Amino acid sequence: NAGVTQTPKFRVLKTGQSMTLLCAQDMNHEYMYWYRQDPGMGLRLIHYSVGEGTTAKGEVPDGYNVSRLKKQNFLLGLESAAPSQTSVYFCASRTSERPNTGELFFGEGSRLTVL
Amino acid sequence: AQRVTQPEKLLSVFKGAPVELKCNYSYSGSPELFWYVQYSRQRLQLLLRHISRESIKGFTADLNKGETSFHLKKPFAQEEDSAMYYCAPHSNDYKLSFGAGTTVTVRA
Repeated sequence: NAGVTQTPKFRVLKTGQSMTLLCAQDMNHEYMYWYRQDPGMGLRLIHYSVGEGTTAKGEVPDGYNVSRLKKQNFLLGLESAAPSQTSVYFCASRTSERPNTGELFFGEGSRLTVL
Repeated sequence: AQRVTQPEKLLSVFKGAPVELKCNYSYSGSPELFWYVQYSRQRLQLLLRHISRESIKGFTADLNKGETSFHLKKPFAQEEDSAMYYCAPHSNDYKLSFGAGTTVTVRA
């Protein structure tokens, strides 16, 4: 059982380049999330989705776009990368059956460096 | 606005000493409270949740609704407890916020 899988795990970009991070989950979860983790800032929510075809902004959405075309996949895109987007990105998912009592399941993280 | 505060960024204790990680939250309604842990080179995972009233790896967490706190405690810290710990209130608005995290180092 793979759980939540993120690709790629590492990436180095130049300022202005674009890229997409892929998150895939095999637990049939409705809710999916993208977070970034920075030293001293903890985990901050970028975007989230409560179901296929729906997305919503989190705390720090600027500079990112997302799509949820299939229930099992949640894509995070950077159209024009900036050094401030250097971070570790985590995807997470959870069931909708117990809206506020179900735990989050996390991917291993994707370390992105923007030069 | 919803807010969760973990006042200690770093916590260093000796093996066998008690450890307490503080978490204060400001949320509308009655969120469920969780603690997540991230060990070195591992993914974030659930440590414990208030609704289960459980003790995991010797850790317990006390919910004080009056003080809106959910502090995590362990009476005798072990070296394997060295990790990053996140407090996370989960509410019904789908947005799941986390505190800034506390890095715990347990020294031999």
